Amino acid sequence: DQQVKQNSPSLSVQEGRISILNCDYTNSMFDYFLWYKKYPAEGPTFLISISSIKDKNEDGRFTVFLNKSAKHLSLHIVPSQPGDSAVYFCAAWGNTGKLIFGQGTTLQVKP
Amino acid sequence: DGGITQSPKYLFRKEGQNVTLSCEQNLNHDAMYWYRQDPGQGLRLIYYSQIVNDFQKGDIAEGYSVSREKKESFPLTVTSAQKNPTAFYLCASSPTWGQLGGTGELFFGEGSRLTVL
Repeated sequence: DQQVKQNSPSLSVQEGRISILNCDYTNSMFDYFLWYKKYPAEGPTFLISISSIKDKNEDGRFTVFLNKSAKHLSLHIVPSQPGDSAVYFCAAWGNTGKLIFGQGTTLQVKP
Repeated sequence: DGGITQSPKYLFRKEGQNVTLSCEQNLNHDAMYWYRQDPGQGLRLIYYSQIVNDFQKGDIAEGYSVSREKKESFPLTVTSAQKNPTAFYLCASSPTWGQLGGTGELFFGEGSRLTVL
């Protein structure tokens, strides 16, 4: 049972444009969400997080939006750069104390 | 530098052999975690430890074992009972268990790739 879903396995955008990565969750007890970036053969690195009491959090080029009623969050990267090409994972904390990850979306930013 | 060190980075194993993956952190974190990454499946939790001398099964613990005898160390043993052990293994830590009192961020090591021949 996949509680955190990233339904787009891949996304390709042009450099300078906006990248939008989506994530859906099924468990209404999730109350804290994170986005990680991962390069091949490396560990994930933390990008940005959002609490369920907020609907938006911004850090430089990265903005995360949370729609609790739809159980949906998205990561916006503006402007996209070739160095942003990586796999992006969304993850959620719930009352079980486990951080649950989605399947990941591979982003390719073309020069 | 503070961080998490996993070793070895690459490991080959014959079927029927147990192997142990090392994970050491010098971040003074209480909680440590082991995840497994397979293509198209994201990261799945194998075991986690909230504090030294304590650990709990995650979602896919069968065929794995861990110990937490020291705060800075959380080794993972992949036993011969694990039916499909070929994967990328990631160790992580956090100041406390869960997101309480912090950003909820897990700090990851560089990973270990295990291949069964």
